Amino acid sequence: AQSVTQPDIHITVSEGASLELRCNYSYGATPYLFWYVQSPGQGLQLLLKYFSGDTLVQGIKGFEAEFKRSQSSFNLRKPSVHWSDAAEYFCAVATSGGSNYKLTFGKGTLLTVNP
Amino acid sequence: EPEVTQTPSHQVTQMGQEVILRCVPISNHLYFYWYRQILGQKVEFLVSFYNNEISEKSEIFDDQFSVERPDGSNFTLKIRSTKLEDSAMYFCASSDVVRETQYFGPGTRLLVL
Repeated sequence: AQSVTQPDIHITVSEGASLELRCNYSYGATPYLFWYVQSPGQGLQLLLKYFSGDTLVQGIKGFEAEFKRSQSSFNLRKPSVHWSDAAEYFCAVATSGGSNYKLTFGKGTLLTVNP
Repeated sequence: EPEVTQTPSHQVTQMGQEVILRCVPISNHLYFYWYRQILGQKVEFLVSFYNNEISEKSEIFDDQFSVERPDGSNFTLKIRSTKLEDSAMYFCASSDVVRETQYFGPGTRLLVL
């Protein structure tokens, strides 16, 4: 069965510092991979996605992620964090069977940004 | 930009009561989903819905749950007899015919007392 692991429950960085959030997945076929962000009281907003092609994908708000098949990873990065990036970040893998299509999420990483 | 909306944002109910959570998916989307997130736990898939029938459901989605698309715009999740463990944030999502991306609503926080 597919699974997603986000090893870091909580990360604190200073504003302006770089950020990397880790995500590892387990899925037999080629995965569709996503990062979503959830701000307090908000829904899940899509940051970026990977389906195929270039393994480095760009998303909104200056985020990028790199798919590494050999490491089963899809880590999220940002070169310079802003205070408004404080939120919870979820990595997810899409799995499909026939007409079905569902997301399996990691537990999330809570990001705190210090001024 | 079109978005998924959900009502109510919060609901408090007594154990054993029925609740209906409502969602309005993005208008040209054809695939609809419910997920839930118990406090401190992962977002979990509940059910997917297409062409007026359930495509897939998880083990969580037992007989006390049902989904319906009563008209051309709403998508509802009904919990017939709520239990304490149903307390969670419930997210609705929709995707278009390509199904590449699921767009999520803001969620309904359900508290069962």
